[in-house]
Amino acid sequence: KQEVTQIPAALSVPEGENLVLNCSFTDSAIYNLQWFRQDPGKGLTSLLLIQSSQREQTSGRLNASLDKSSGRSTLYIAASQPGDSATYLCAVKGASGSRLTFGEGTQLTVNP
Amino acid sequence: GAGVSQSPRYKVAKRGQDVALRCDPISGHVSLFWYQQALGQGPEFLTYFQNEAQLDKSGLPSDRFFAERPEGSVSTLKIQRTQQEDSAVYLCASSETYILYNEQFFGPGTRLTVL
Repeated sequence: KQEVTQIPAALSVPEGENLVLNCSFTDSAIYNLQWFRQDPGKGLTSLLLIQSSQREQTSGRLNASLDKSSGRSTLYIAASQPGDSATYLCAVKGASGSRLTFGEGTQLTVNP
Repeated sequence: GAGVSQSPRYKVAKRGQDVALRCDPISGHVSLFWYQQALGQGPEFLTYFQNEAQLDKSGLPSDRFFAERPEGSVSTLKIQRTQQEDSAVYLCASSETYILYNEQFFGPGTRLTVL
């Protein structure tokens, strides 16, 4: 059974810092990995999707990397802003089916 | 076009009541998913439809949970005889095709509180 772990569970940083969120998964047989953002009381907003054949994806100040063989992904946020405060979730789509398996998320607070 | 929509956004039920949660996927999307998210947790898979066919219901926690998508578009998740442990946010997602590398797009969720 696929298990996804996110570290740290919570992170508080001052505005302007660069930061890294970590995601690990136990079964490397995946089709893709998605990073999502979730604001309190809201649904999920997709940030980046990395296919299993890719190593990284970039969107603006966000960069996600994938090392499938070691079961790891990182989300790098450059020059953090208070508006980046949210919970960040990673999810993998395994080769066994269409479902996404999620981690428990990292709650990020960026202080002005 | 519009994204995934869900209704109601909030639902309060007394223990033992039946509830029905609706999901309108993005128009033309073939695949539809339901997830359950408990407070402070990541979403967990409940069930998956490809058009009107329910291909995977292995995540449904009990036989009190039932999902349908009779015409291959709108889906309803029904929970019978609700229990307090059913309190959660129920998220619906859709993707364009059944191809496994397609991205899933999520709705805003329905927050269910069972008293």
